Amino acid sequence: EIVMTQSPDSLSVSPGDRATLSCRASQSVSSNLAWYQQKPGQAPRLLIYGASTRATGIPARFSGSGSGTEFTLTISSLQSEDVAVYYCQQYNNWHTFGQGSKVEIK
Amino acid sequence: EVQLVESGGGLVQPGGSLRLSCAASGFTFSIYGMQWVRQVPGKGLVWLLRISRDGSDTTYADSVKGRFTISRDNTKNTVYLQMNGLRAEDTAVYYCVRAIYSNGYFYFDYWGQGALVTVSS
Repeated sequence: EIVMTQSPDSLSVSPGDRATLSCRASQSVSSNLAWYQQKPGQAPRLLIYGASTRATGIPARFSGSGSGTEFTLTISSLQSEDVAVYYCQQYNNWHTFGQGSKVEIK
Repeated sequence: EVQLVESGGGLVQPGGSLRLSCAASGFTFSIYGMQWVRQVPGKGLVWLLRISRDGSDTTYADSVKGRFTISRDNTKNTVYLQMNGLRAEDTAVYYCVRAIYSNGYFYFDYWGQGALVTVSS
């Protein structure tokens, strides 16, 4: 099983500042990596697939990068509505998720 | 608008059974594979099982193999999760998800709101 490890577990960012989340795979997943946003009490929402392609309707402040084993989700200018837990998921070999990174407003 | 609506969750005793349903609307159900993912409250996401668009092919995670069964009825735009032999560790929110095929791989583009299953005596 491919293990996905996210860092940090949580981060606090001031409104308008950049938030950078990392995700590492235990073996290469090529670009078969997705990012999801989960707000309290809600289902996850797809943000990024193919490591860097924004899903339909996702604001441009969300961007993804990386390939192989190292990936990054960047929120260029944090808004209050971005407070959530963010999960990475590899779908190169079935599906495994990271443990999540919680983003809060400072 | 794509919608996935789960139903059938609730409280069940250890060893009991439960069937979840996921009613789909807003898209052509029969051309998409469907999957189930669960989340223990306050914890992470775990993939459970998948079914092909025509129901002929299924795959199960080891944790549920032999106890859970996925099926679908394309005439009713519904996918089902039959859960038998439930254990306390199966307590979770169960999400129905739509799978998108891209370059030989599947990712999840829409999720239902989830159905809470509590296994307790």
